[in-house]
Amino acid sequence: RKEVEQDPGPFNVPEGATVAFNCTYSNSASQSFFWYRQDCRKEPKLLMSVYSSGNEDGRFTAQLNRASQYISLLIRDSKLSDSATYLCVVNMGWDNFNKFYFGSGTKLNVKP
Amino acid sequence: DAGVTQSPTHLIKTRGQQVTLRCSPKSGHDTVSWYQQALGQGPQFIFQYYEEEERQRGNFPDRFSGHQFPNYSSELNVNALLLGDSALYLCASSLVGTGGRNTEAFFGQGTRLTVV
Repeated sequence: RKEVEQDPGPFNVPEGATVAFNCTYSNSASQSFFWYRQDCRKEPKLLMSVYSSGNEDGRFTAQLNRASQYISLLIRDSKLSDSATYLCVVNMGWDNFNKFYFGSGTKLNVKP
Repeated sequence: DAGVTQSPTHLIKTRGQQVTLRCSPKSGHDTVSWYQQALGQGPQFIFQYYEEEERQRGNFPDRFSGHQFPNYSSELNVNALLLGDSALYLCASSLVGTGGRNTEAFFGQGTRLTVV
């Protein structure tokens, strides 16, 4: 079983739509959680960290459910520029070291 | 503030050859991790270096080795290249956390390795 699992999509949505991605992780000892965005043939870039209390950054909202071991990302009012692959990332480092596990990514296509 | 830089950006090698990839971490970061990303997949953790030592390792064979220098820069070496080693190799830098809090990782633009 993979450490982090995501629906690969693609999610094809019109501009202005609201879209949600989920991600599940297998290790209950996971420490921290992130969403990264990756454009085609580019490096992943941090979109936002995910906190237990949930957090929001403009049109983006991230939630963490430790009991069910899943993470979600909600994008409101989708823009064409949101088209990318969204990677769910779980940190299973021990002590203070980072060991990130990535999902395979969910592809989002926002259409005009 | 320089971000994470990797070199070269593209590389073509022949099966059986050896390759060395280089990474300079973001200013102020002391930890370097290497990832392999095959087409259509998420990045897979290879190993991590801190204080010039390999601290953690993913599920990669011994053909993959690395090094970290006193200035925190790092190299990834792959011996006896296989066709399946063709991928985007990403370097990520971060800071060792304190009190159990880990920092985010910042990625370089990657080295695209093609093995023919």
